[in-house]
Amino acid sequence: GEDVEQSLFLSVREGDSSVINCTYTDSSSTYLYWYKQEPGAGLQLLTYIFSNMDMKQDQRLTVLLNKKDKHLSLRIADTQTGDSAIYFCAEWTGTYKYIFGTGTRLKVLA
Amino acid sequence: GAVVSQHPSRVICKSGTSVKIECRSLDFQATTMFWYRQFPKQSLMLMATSNEGSKATYEQGVEKDKFLINHASLTLSTLTVTSAHPEDSSFYICSAREPDRAGNYGYTFGSGTRLTVV
Repeated sequence: GEDVEQSLFLSVREGDSSVINCTYTDSSSTYLYWYKQEPGAGLQLLTYIFSNMDMKQDQRLTVLLNKKDKHLSLRIADTQTGDSAIYFCAEWTGTYKYIFGTGTRLKVLA
Repeated sequence: GAVVSQHPSRVICKSGTSVKIECRSLDFQATTMFWYRQFPKQSLMLMATSNEGSKATYEQGVEKDKFLINHASLTLSTLTVTSAHPEDSSFYICSAREPDRAGNYGYTFGSGTRLTVV
């Protein structure tokens, strides 16, 4: 079945890079997304990548996609305390709906 | 960019009562909106797809009589939790897609509603 997995926690020091990983199972996914959720808030779209791309860079964010291994990662350069949040990866499946990962709670230490 | 407004942000209700949550697309028309539920420390689960002018499509395991969805206009979808019980306490989030947005099928999410049933 469709499944998206992420590690639950990540802790980094301010100024370091953060790498959040995600694996998915649906090979028919056309788009893969990264969302940020701050406490008590909805989801904010950070970036997305089309399934025929390997990499996408958007300012401090770099998305890497390994379609063969069905592995997606989000790298945040120069991580700041304001980046502390839960990050969800999501795939847009062939059945026209999002499948979200379990979310990774990023904690940035000053 | 597209904005989706969700109201209320927090609501506390007594068991057995009904609660209505509104989801509005502020600067675009949305023929389709989605309702998600998020349990603590878990991911979002799609509950139903709300279609303007027709019946909602519910995901497996979601009780349509308990979670009533009305999408009466192109900018408003409502989710009513009927006869609420404490196990309905959760974070509910809606989303909508800005139409004709080429190259990106990403959706805009509301800020969510924290429902607590006491």
